[in-house]
Amino acid sequence: AQKVTQAQTEISVVEKEDVTLDCVYETRDTTYYLFWYKQPPSGELVFLIRRNSFDEQNEISGRYSWNFQKFTSSFNFTITASQVVDSAVYFCALVMNRDDKIIFGKGTRLHILP
Amino acid sequence: ETGVTQSPTHLIKTRGQQVTLRCSSQSGHNTVSWYQQALGQGPQFIFQYYREEENGRGNFPPRFSGLQFPNYSSELNVNALELDDSALYLCASSPPGTSPRVVYTFGSGTRLTVV
Repeated sequence: AQKVTQAQTEISVVEKEDVTLDCVYETRDTTYYLFWYKQPPSGELVFLIRRNSFDEQNEISGRYSWNFQKFTSSFNFTITASQVVDSAVYFCALVMNRDDKIIFGKGTRLHILP
Repeated sequence: ETGVTQSPTHLIKTRGQQVTLRCSSQSGHNTVSWYQQALGQGPQFIFQYYREEENGRGNFPPRFSGLQFPNYSSELNVNALELDDSALYLCASSPPGTSPRVVYTFGSGTRLTVV
């Protein structure tokens, strides 16, 4: 069975600190896609990144970076120099190559304190 | 380019009633998926519609049903509402292409409260 685990339910950090959100996934498929979404209070899910299972190269986009480690089935997300606007719920998600169903983790609520 | 729009934004219904939620896809997108997000949880896949037919379903009972129209807009219908149906219902659209679509644009959702 496929599963996404976000062990951190809630995190609070002071503005300008770095913060890492953990994500561990389970699947026996060899081809799959991993995502991170941000959900602000308004409710919509904002796409942040998509990686496929064959691309283990880490990625950096501004203050955001992602560390994909296939041997530990982890896809962690780091925000550098956090800002109050980063406060939101963040979801890690998994999609198999054989269907279109997004499997979400339970999310991590991130509070950036001014 | 318009995004995904959902209506209504909020809704209160009584247990046992029926409800219809609506979703307009992003321009150029022909696949629509619906998700249920209970409070404090991640979204759960309900079903997907492609070319006006159901194309995949999650672990939801038959009282959850849907429609997709020729303009790719979609409806989610829930009959015999239960208190546990209270949730944020999210719609996501995807463009034509290979499966999985891997490009999903989400709406802001409909917050349904069943009392």
